[in-house]
Amino acid sequence: EAEVAQSPRYKITEKSQAVAFWCDPISGHATLYWYRQILGQGPELLVQFQDESVVDDSQLPKDRFSAERLKGVDSTLKIQPAELGDSAMYLCASSLSGTANTEAFFGQGTRLTVV
Amino acid sequence: DAKTTQPPSMDCAEGRAANLPCNHSTISGNEYVYWYRQIHSQGPQYIIHGLKNNETNEMASLIITEDRKSSTLILPHATLRDTAVYYCIVFTSGTYKYIFGTGTRLKVLA
Repeated sequence: EAEVAQSPRYKITEKSQAVAFWCDPISGHATLYWYRQILGQGPELLVQFQDESVVDDSQLPKDRFSAERLKGVDSTLKIQPAELGDSAMYLCASSLSGTANTEAFFGQGTRLTVV
Repeated sequence: DAKTTQPPSMDCAEGRAANLPCNHSTISGNEYVYWYRQIHSQGPQYIIHGLKNNETNEMASLIITEDRKSSTLILPHATLRDTAVYYCIVFTSGTYKYIFGTGTRLKVLA
């Protein structure tokens, strides 16, 4: 069964350092989402891509976060510089078309700890 | 964006049906109801979705009221592995994104 791949699974970084997460969606999926999940809360959408274009990044802290999906396939989320409050699970999801009747599938996430 | 309301926690005996309610009174006519669950430290897992008709798959059944203001996810024979946080989501038309709430923490008891 096809899966959304994320790496690394775990990352520990010092504050003020740069950190990057990678996501490979299910083949053929045009829509890609990045979510952040703080312990005890539901996932919060950071950015949404349709192919290589950003559809929604209204909740992305653009002073330190960036996301790209250059060829409309895999995607990278970067934080620079990392802050203690960035400690969270970062989840990637993809769906075939992003329309209302197509489900999204999530990866296992990257758990970031900033020390 | 249509909001959902779920009880924060529920218990269910192993082997019994688990019925998880969700209120979405501001849902629009073309917005779908989705259910996901998240087992500890894993990514959310898709369960089922529907528009107005009841739906069933190998994991669960989804019952949507006629006025579409609420729905119930039914796990027919809960097992210990069904212990998880269950999220009810209204897929937002227009922006096409999933807005998660805080979900229902279901504990299946042996």
